[in-house]
Amino acid sequence: EAGVTQSPTHLIKTRGQQATLRCSPISGHTSVYWYQQALGLGLQFLLWYDEGEERNRGNFPPRFSGRQFPNYSSELNVNALELEDSALYLCASSRSPGRTDTQYFGPGTRLTVL
Amino acid sequence: QQQVKQSPQSLIVQKGGISIINCAYENTAFDYFPWYQQFPGKGPALLIAIRPDVSEKKEGRFTISFNKSAKQFSLHIMDSQPGDSATYFCAASSIGGGADGLTFGKGTHLIIQP
Repeated sequence: EAGVTQSPTHLIKTRGQQATLRCSPISGHTSVYWYQQALGLGLQFLLWYDEGEERNRGNFPPRFSGRQFPNYSSELNVNALELEDSALYLCASSRSPGRTDTQYFGPGTRLTVL
Repeated sequence: QQQVKQSPQSLIVQKGGISIINCAYENTAFDYFPWYQQFPGKGPALLIAIRPDVSEKKEGRFTISFNKSAKQFSLHIMDSQPGDSATYFCAASSIGGGADGLTFGKGTHLIIQP
């Protein structure tokens, strides 16, 4: 069974630009969670998508947004990039919507904002 | 507001020794407490998890100890090996309240010296 995949592996942008990160969940998983892992801050919950809908978001500004496609893959968009957006962005998928004991993480996308 | 506090931030243990990482939580609604292991360039992988109905769970060399009254839980790695060198994250959630994702500690960078 293939795991969660994310692309690109690395992304370098300049301040003010937009970044788009992609995630493909494990086959059969309908829920996708996005987390930000900034240096020294651990992982912080960003967004939760299930069945194509945004179900919840963490304490992040609206310039962090995304969507989930009919095949359950997901995209995270970060607009008006700021230096502090530099982080590892992790996607996790779950086969059981709303349950945290079935989350599997991808390898992440390293976003660097210059 | 950090709801899960993890210590120490870094830890060096000799091969064969016991590694101990501690976490404390605030939200009494949490009922699922996993530990994740992350190697450089990889996403976090679930190592072991516990529910509050038991005080201890052991899987191989890894043991979680849980103290509900103190709202604390810890990870013990027995006979620590160089391959255990990684960053470890504790987390907590309401297992059926996946809307908020997992709340993570800031991580412990563990180094096992040969």
